[in-house]
Amino acid sequence: DTAVSQTPKYLVTQMGNDKSIKCEQNLGHDTMYWYKQDSKKFLKIMFSYNNKELIINETVPNRFSPKSPDKAHLNLHINSLELGDSAVYFCASRNDGSVYGYTFGSGTRLTVV
Amino acid sequence: QKEVEQDPGPLSVPEGAIVSLNCTYSNSAFQYFMWYRQYSRKGPELLMYTYSSGNKEDGRFTAQVDKSSKYISLFIRDSQPSDSATYLCAMKGNTGKLIFGQGTTLQVKP
Repeated sequence: DTAVSQTPKYLVTQMGNDKSIKCEQNLGHDTMYWYKQDSKKFLKIMFSYNNKELIINETVPNRFSPKSPDKAHLNLHINSLELGDSAVYFCASRNDGSVYGYTFGSGTRLTVV
Repeated sequence: QKEVEQDPGPLSVPEGAIVSLNCTYSNSAFQYFMWYRQYSRKGPELLMYTYSSGNKEDGRFTAQVDKSSKYISLFIRDSQPSDSATYLCAMKGNTGKLIFGQGTTLQVKP
């Protein structure tokens, strides 16, 4: 019955590798987001998709590429991982009719070694 | 300068204390204001929300917005150990982008 689920929960990988994080929401929401939370707990938006269309694309390295195969899924692929990519990545979703109703997943803790 | 500034703490208080958490912001276009609570190893959860200026109360929690000062607050009365978490303020205007403060880590000691 998880509303926004992310996989994997933990990811440890070496520099230079390519990895993907997957997100699924079963709330019927229209918009999905990727946020990055650094070690100081600062949460910053990376991307947003509305019904499979990219609507927010913050200043993020080209190594990060989101993909939304359908309204319920938003994946994040990262190429050539760097040490600075280590963070917790949160997926979130929101119904367009709700200004405040953001639902977050539990996060994917990425560690690049 | 960040759009939203929040003292990261940490803040440690005894059980039963009144807690005051604050954020300042620079973008006068912000009109939707939220407070999220994040427990360790979990995602943020919406705690309170307000539109424009004013106060809103929900049980032990009160959210205040002063748009003239670009300042928002969250008060927790009769704080409990279960309130120990990171509290993040968040706000947005009409762009749709939700901007977060850095988060304040709160510990309530029994």
